[in-house]
Amino acid sequence: NAGVTQTPKFRILKIGQSMTLQCTQDMNHNYMYWYRQDPGMGLKLIYYSVGAGITDKGEVPNGYNVSRSTTEDFPLRLELAAPSQTSVYFCASWRASGAYEQYFGPGTRLTVT
Amino acid sequence: AQKITQTQPGMFVQEKEAVTLDCTYDTSDQSYGLFWYKQPSSGEMIFLIYQGSYDEQNATEGRYSLNFQKARKSANLVISASQLGDSAMYFCAMREGRGTYKYIFGTGTRLKVLA
Repeated sequence: NAGVTQTPKFRILKIGQSMTLQCTQDMNHNYMYWYRQDPGMGLKLIYYSVGAGITDKGEVPNGYNVSRSTTEDFPLRLELAAPSQTSVYFCASWRASGAYEQYFGPGTRLTVT
Repeated sequence: AQKITQTQPGMFVQEKEAVTLDCTYDTSDQSYGLFWYKQPSSGEMIFLIYQGSYDEQNATEGRYSLNFQKARKSANLVISASQLGDSAMYFCAMREGRGTYKYIFGTGTRLKVLA
């Protein structure tokens, strides 16, 4: 199993550009999450999904959109990038009937200038 | 509203000594989970230990133990016999109960192990 994979690892965006952060898991996990981690801070939940076709907002959803058309994939879309979206983005997944912990991807470091 | 509080921004510990990292939480749920994650300078999130709200015994995983005091709503991480490789950020997190299973993270404690 590859676990949770994220692409790209690094990205620099100009203000106003858009991009999609990709997240894929191969563990058949029903729950998937997107977090952002600002420098020196903890993780804040952006969006989460409890299964294909079902998504909901977390603590900091503004400026982002998600979709979940398959169990495996949970892309995060940034529209009209702003400097405040400079952060490290983590994707994670979990299965309620499985292990206790979330499995995290390696993260995407995004800079908006 | 659910909340996780880590009041120690930074901690130092001598190699081979034990250290306790504090975590308090607030929730109205009866069913919840508490986690500790380690984030080394390389940036990945490493799961350390889990405690369920109904677990009567404190969780242990090797050199890590979780001191769970439910009435005080605290879930402190104890690292015994600290090693230089333990230097990292440590995050306490809580998973909400049945339904959304959302996670909330604390702001973290940076631990530095001294030789």
